[in-house]
Amino acid sequence: GAVVSQHPSRVICKSGTSVKIECRSLDFQATTMFWYRQFPKQSLMLMATSNEGSKATYEQGVEKDKFLINHASLTLSTLTVTSAHPEDSSFYICSARRGAGRTTEAFFGQGTRLTVV
Amino acid sequence: GDSVTQMEGPVTLSEEAFLTINCTYTATGYPSLFWYVQYPGEGLQLLLKATKADDKGSNKGFEATYRKETTSFHLEKGSVQVSDSAVYFCALLRGIQGAQKLVFGQGTRLTINP
Repeated sequence: GAVVSQHPSRVICKSGTSVKIECRSLDFQATTMFWYRQFPKQSLMLMATSNEGSKATYEQGVEKDKFLINHASLTLSTLTVTSAHPEDSSFYICSARRGAGRTTEAFFGQGTRLTVV
Repeated sequence: GDSVTQMEGPVTLSEEAFLTINCTYTATGYPSLFWYVQYPGEGLQLLLKATKADDKGSNKGFEATYRKETTSFHLEKGSVQVSDSAVYFCALLRGIQGAQKLVFGQGTRLTINP
């Protein structure tokens, strides 16, 4: 299957600093990428939908100024957690979509464990 | 709005036991349905899917049938292995083309003991 690479897999940062997470589709072009947050023992919460060349669409309750998303090319989207605080510690997962309609399929990165200390 | 409900975990079974993880959904129309698996420390992987009523998705010995009448997509496997230990997510795809999103259930943690 298609490969989506997410980097870094783990990051520890100090409170108040910013962290950038990259999501790359390695063998296909993804016009749409998604960013999720997963709390311990809970499901994935969609944070935003990222379309190449346009502004991301954020879900209700997600601060767009805190979670900056850039989809600069058809194979790369980045999530920057700005001025991180301990409550931002979580598992962040990106997904890239290939195809459209009922043939669409989403491929997931391996996730990034963010710990803010 | 659209939603997915899974049986609560954790589920613990012995190797070679029969597995069922229940999943029901609420949606307008007939969404595509998916099961994803998340192994420890990894992202989600598509396990199987079904795009229309009565379709059966299958992979790695797992099966799930799209039941429109009961709005269900239960995951089954006849004989589980230790390597099946993971978190399983049921999901549906909602929205119109170009604006489709996956809606996930809460996940079910499965542990298989040797």
